[in-house]
Amino acid sequence: QKEVEQNSGPLSVPEGAIASLNCTYSDRGSQSFFWYRQYSGKSPELIMSIYSNGDKEDGRFTAQLNKASQYVSLLIRDSQPSDSATYLCAVNMNKAAGNKLTFGGGTRVLVKP
Amino acid sequence: KAGVTQTPRYLIKTRGQQVTLSCSPISGHRSVSWYQQTPGQGLQFLFEYFSETQRNKGNFPGRFSGRQFSNSRSEMNVSTLELGDSALYLCASSPWGGLVEQYFGPGTRLTVT
Repeated sequence: QKEVEQNSGPLSVPEGAIASLNCTYSDRGSQSFFWYRQYSGKSPELIMSIYSNGDKEDGRFTAQLNKASQYVSLLIRDSQPSDSATYLCAVNMNKAAGNKLTFGGGTRVLVKP
Repeated sequence: KAGVTQTPRYLIKTRGQQVTLSCSPISGHRSVSWYQQTPGQGLQFLFEYFSETQRNKGNFPGRFSGRQFSNSRSEMNVSTLELGDSALYLCASSPWGGLVEQYFGPGTRLTVT
């Protein structure tokens, strides 16, 4: 089992619709969670961070965290063609040897006009 | 504020050689982390430096090492290069340690022949 798992996609959504991305993680002690967006040929860009259970909204993005079920999700409302990218889920795992930031394989999102 | 900068952007080395990559963080950021990104393994954490001390370390062999200077600039060294070291090496900086809220540089594309 991978430590952080994401559906690789592609997730195809029509323009204006909601894109829903999911991520599950294995380390129950994880405390902080991040979503990064990566355009092809570019470096990852932080779009959301979430530390406690529940929802966190920032513009068109909403992150949802459920530590009991060990999943974190990202909703993109009113999807735009410019949202077409790979979305990486990252989990900060607290290990005995220190922290370790583990990324999922990413979900590729395609927004069609 | 200027973003994270990395030099060089592209590098071609021969197997067995060593290489040093450089990263300048965003002004005021004290944490610098390094990552390796490949199509097969995705984005993997190498190590984090904070105030010139290595705080966290991923699961890479000792051929991968780093350091941080008093001005927060960081270097990563890879000795005895192998073909499998060909990758995009990304540096990220953060105002805080502990691998939270990081901002990535453009990366150094290393090709080992």
